[in-house]
Amino acid sequence: QKEVEQDPGPLSVPEGAIVSLNCTYSNSAFQYFMWYRQYSRKGPELLMYTYSSGNKEDGRFTAQVDKSSKYISLFIRDSQPSDSATYLCAMSRSNDYKLSFGAGTTVTVRA
Amino acid sequence: SQTIHQWPATLVQPVGSPLSLECTVEGTSNPNLYWYRQAAGRGLQLLFYSVGIGQISSEVPQNLSASRPQDRQFILSSKKLLLSDSGFYLCACCKEGNEKLFFGSGTQLSVL
Repeated sequence: QKEVEQDPGPLSVPEGAIVSLNCTYSNSAFQYFMWYRQYSRKGPELLMYTYSSGNKEDGRFTAQVDKSSKYISLFIRDSQPSDSATYLCAMSRSNDYKLSFGAGTTVTVRA
Repeated sequence: SQTIHQWPATLVQPVGSPLSLECTVEGTSNPNLYWYRQAAGRGLQLLFYSVGIGQISSEVPQNLSASRPQDRQFILSSKKLLLSDSGFYLCACCKEGNEKLFFGSGTQLSVL
């Protein structure tokens, strides 16, 4: 079993729809949770960063962390074609040099 | 904020040739530095990380090596490339303190 599980999709939605992405994990020691957006042939860009449980909102993006269920989510409201990308979840323990990544979910927003 | 410079963007090399990819970081000092590889349609594989000059940790046995000759310089090398070394190579920084990791723009390596 992988430490971080993420459905690779692909996921296709019409413009304006809500995109819902999620990851599950097995290591209860994870405390830092991140979402990255990666466009084709580009480096991943840090999108959202959350410490421990709870919600965080930034514009059209909302990140949720449920540590009791070992489940994190990313919601994109009013999706745009420019949101078409691969979204990677990542997480780490405190005082750990490394991140554990999900495999990434490819999202296409149709105009 | 930090800026990560990575070059070249694209590289085509024959099997058996040497490799040197360079990464430099601006805007921070004593960063943790990382090399990742991303195969087509797959996740990120950590290859090496470094917490200081001359300090290299290897995550997987392979045909590659890394060096950190200066505080903000990280180099990925190979003496003889294999077909299996093809992939998208990413340099990343920093994670200390605020735990965030930032990536460079990547190098697409094709070994033919």
